[in-house]
Amino acid sequence: GEDVEQSLFLSVREGDSSVINCTYTDSSSTYLYWYKQEPGAGLQLLTYIFSNMDMKQDQRLTVLLNKKDKHLSLRIADTQTGDSAIYFCAARSDYKLSFGAGTTVTVRA
Amino acid sequence: GAVVSQHPSRVICKSGTSVKIECRSLDFQATTMFWYRQFPKKSLMLMATSNEGSKATYEQGVEKDKFLINHASLTLSTLTVTSAHPEDSSFYICSATRDGSYEQYFGPGTRLTVT
Repeated sequence: GEDVEQSLFLSVREGDSSVINCTYTDSSSTYLYWYKQEPGAGLQLLTYIFSNMDMKQDQRLTVLLNKKDKHLSLRIADTQTGDSAIYFCAARSDYKLSFGAGTTVTVRA
Repeated sequence: GAVVSQHPSRVICKSGTSVKIECRSLDFQATTMFWYRQFPKKSLMLMATSNEGSKATYEQGVEKDKFLINHASLTLSTLTVTSAHPEDSSFYICSATRDGSYEQYFGPGTRLTVT
């Protein structure tokens, strides 16, 4: 099966940019996703990128995809305290999603 | 649109009892529903995939007799944890897809604690 890996923790100062990195193994993955999970809640889809794209920007969020290296990143500009959460990277092959372990982002004042 | 609900949001049950968790698509018909389990500070692990009116497809290592999945209608799937044990305590999350789309819409999750 597919392996999706991401760093476990990130601490960032309020107002700075956050960058979360993710790698995956299945080159046939068609879509790559970023989800946000707040404590005790389900997953909220933040953004996604199709595998033939290099970059996608959506307001404060920028997704970069290096398909050759199977590397995905999520940049959050002007990080706010409300951005503190766990961020999951996911890769889709066929209809199944494979998730990374999640990156806990802590925003400090 | 594409709202998925789960009920209950939190349940505590005694060891040996069974507990049922419901997953509903509120404003669309869900051709496929997925059940995930999330351990503390861990990723989501796919347990099974269910299509309306047919038997669920379980992932390797998931006991189908312990985790009973029923997808009786296009808007409802249920997961029943039978003879629950403390090691079944976890956060269970469902998701659903619309017809013709692979996009998964996630429910808010159910926290199960077995004492």
